[in-house]
Amino acid sequence: SQTIHQWPATLVQPVGSPLSLECTVEGTSNPNLYWYRQAAGRGLQLLFYSVGIGQISSEVPQNLSASRPQDRQFILSSKKLLLSDSGFYLCAWSSQGLAGSDTQYFGPGTRLTVL
Amino acid sequence: GQNIDQPTEMTATEGAIVQINCTYQTSGFNGLFWYQQHAGEAPTFLSYNVLDGLEEKGRFSSFLSRSKGYSYLLLKELQMKDSASYLCAVRDENYQLIWGAGTKLIIKP
Repeated sequence: SQTIHQWPATLVQPVGSPLSLECTVEGTSNPNLYWYRQAAGRGLQLLFYSVGIGQISSEVPQNLSASRPQDRQFILSSKKLLLSDSGFYLCAWSSQGLAGSDTQYFGPGTRLTVL
Repeated sequence: GQNIDQPTEMTATEGAIVQINCTYQTSGFNGLFWYQQHAGEAPTFLSYNVLDGLEEKGRFSSFLSRSKGYSYLLLKELQMKDSASYLCAVRDENYQLIWGAGTKLIIKP
């Protein structure tokens, strides 16, 4: 069966510090991968998605970036965090392809607080 | 623009039935998803509808009317563990998921 991991689970960082969040998927090959952010009481905001190694699409211009160095690894980074970067960061995967029924499955998430 | 509307919060009694509505306006339609999200946790998949009608899965059912841009999630025999947020999401013509803000369901004994 497929499993998705994220770490760390929680993170408190000062404004202006760098960020690196990691997501890995097990039990599947060539997945689509996604990074979302969820602000308190809000819906999910898609930040980045990837259909393959080195292929990243950005949905929202901001001070965040994403990389996919391996097939089942997705990294979210920032060089300098802003207060507005606080939130719940979720990684998700889905099967490769464009089937409308492809379900996205989420990792446990990272709660980031920027002070 | 693309829009998903859900009530912000609903309250129901343990053992009762509750219906959570979702209306959408999107560029194209390639399916509608319902997810459950407990506080502080990740969303988990509940159901998928692409054709009009009712899909039943145990205590949970999901209904879709594409002509009306409308769906609902029906929860029967409510249990305290059903207290959570319920997220509606629509896959648009570009196969991207558009998410609603979620409905927080509070179950009272």
